[in-house]
Amino acid sequence: KQEVTQIPAALSVPEGENLVLNCSFTDSAIYNLQWFRQDPGKGLTSLLLIQSSQREQTSGRLNASLDKSSGRSTLYIAASQPGDSATYLCAVSDGNQFYFGTGTSLTVIP
Amino acid sequence: DGGITQSPKYLFRKEGQNVTLSCEQNLNHDAMYWYRQDPGQGLRLIYYSQIVNDFQKGDIAEGYSVSREKKESFPLTVTSAQKNPTAFYLCASSRRNEQFFGPGTRLTVL
Repeated sequence: KQEVTQIPAALSVPEGENLVLNCSFTDSAIYNLQWFRQDPGKGLTSLLLIQSSQREQTSGRLNASLDKSSGRSTLYIAASQPGDSATYLCAVSDGNQFYFGTGTSLTVIP
Repeated sequence: DGGITQSPKYLFRKEGQNVTLSCEQNLNHDAMYWYRQDPGQGLRLIYYSQIVNDFQKGDIAEGYSVSREKKESFPLTVTSAQKNPTAFYLCASSRRNEQFFGPGTRLTVL
């Protein structure tokens, strides 16, 4: 069964710093990988979707990469802001179900 | 506006009662999902449905039931057989293996 791991579980950085969040998965037979943001008590908001044939996707200050062969993805956040504080989750799809990591809780200190 | 709605936002249940959580989507997505989220844990799949009148059990289906009579609706019933139902419940739909989430329902057992 697919297992998804996110490291670190929590991260605290000063405002303006660039940062990287990590996501690893055990089975490389995936359709795509999706990064989400979750604010406390809210649903998940989709940030980026990377198809299995793609290497990376960018949206504004966010850049996500995918290395299927090594079972890894990274989410790069440039010039972090206090409004970026949230929990970030990654999920992989096998075409039928989605498998989620436990998330990285990010705090950006003003 | 297209999206997924969940109601109610907060729900309180007495022990021994069944309760039903509503999930409606107007995105015209075929697939819908129910997840449970507990503090410090990732999302766990309860049930999913790829088409109308068909659904499959996820990893933690015991004590829950669903129906999929309409494409846009996927209600979840938490039965008295679910021993520890207090949690945050998230509904999602997907198209081409990209998931979208509702705002969630927080269920508390009194």
